[in-house]
Amino acid sequence: DTGVSQDPRHKITKRGQNVTFRCDPISEHNRLYWYRQTLGQGPEFLTYFQNEAQLEKSRLLSDRFSAERPKGSFSTLEIQRTEQGDSAMYLCASSSWGQGNSNEQYFGPGTRLTVT
Amino acid sequence: GQNIDQPTEMTATEGAIVQINCTYQTSGFNGLFWYQQHAGEAPTFLSYNVLDGLEEKGRFSSFLSRSKGYSYLLLKELQMKDSASYLCAPMNTGFQKLVFGTGTRLLVSP
Repeated sequence: DTGVSQDPRHKITKRGQNVTFRCDPISEHNRLYWYRQTLGQGPEFLTYFQNEAQLEKSRLLSDRFSAERPKGSFSTLEIQRTEQGDSAMYLCASSSWGQGNSNEQYFGPGTRLTVT
Repeated sequence: GQNIDQPTEMTATEGAIVQINCTYQTSGFNGLFWYQQHAGEAPTFLSYNVLDGLEEKGRFSSFLSRSKGYSYLLLKELQMKDSASYLCAPMNTGFQKLVFGTGTRLLVSP
């Protein structure tokens, strides 16, 4: 257990439905990342926050995806109008960014999304 | 652009030594991470290199050559539980984003 938690662990939804995932990072970490991973591939970067500010979004993140970190603690990732291609493992990671830190990212257990 | 190259799969026997190579090209460089990922689980941190040379941590060591864009992960005294995917992830400068390769799936046999 790295100290990063994600909820739910599994989600099955029908195409066209909206889904929301939550990530609770390690409490003192100021950075929070979202990744998506499909079978046989490494994690692909989606977006990240430093405190409550969303600093970068991948081009992979279509308009149907939105992420928030309203108080600089937990984060949510919402997918609207889900498509079968959205089926993947969604991973959250957190790190303590700054001088003197290793910037190691600690990953949560992931949320596995299946769109039918 | 960003490109990471690792072998797709490797096999080794229990007790042996295996070296997993990684070459990378990234837009800026701020260190390289190695992660281990068992099937169906999240990646877990193994090592971080920011300077050239070898970092040793128990049975695992990691090497970096920044000028060559090359790193390797060395696993000694292999155990069955080392069967997993090993992900090479350079970190770019600026926003310090990790860029993961597809990973090397290592199978350790008795």
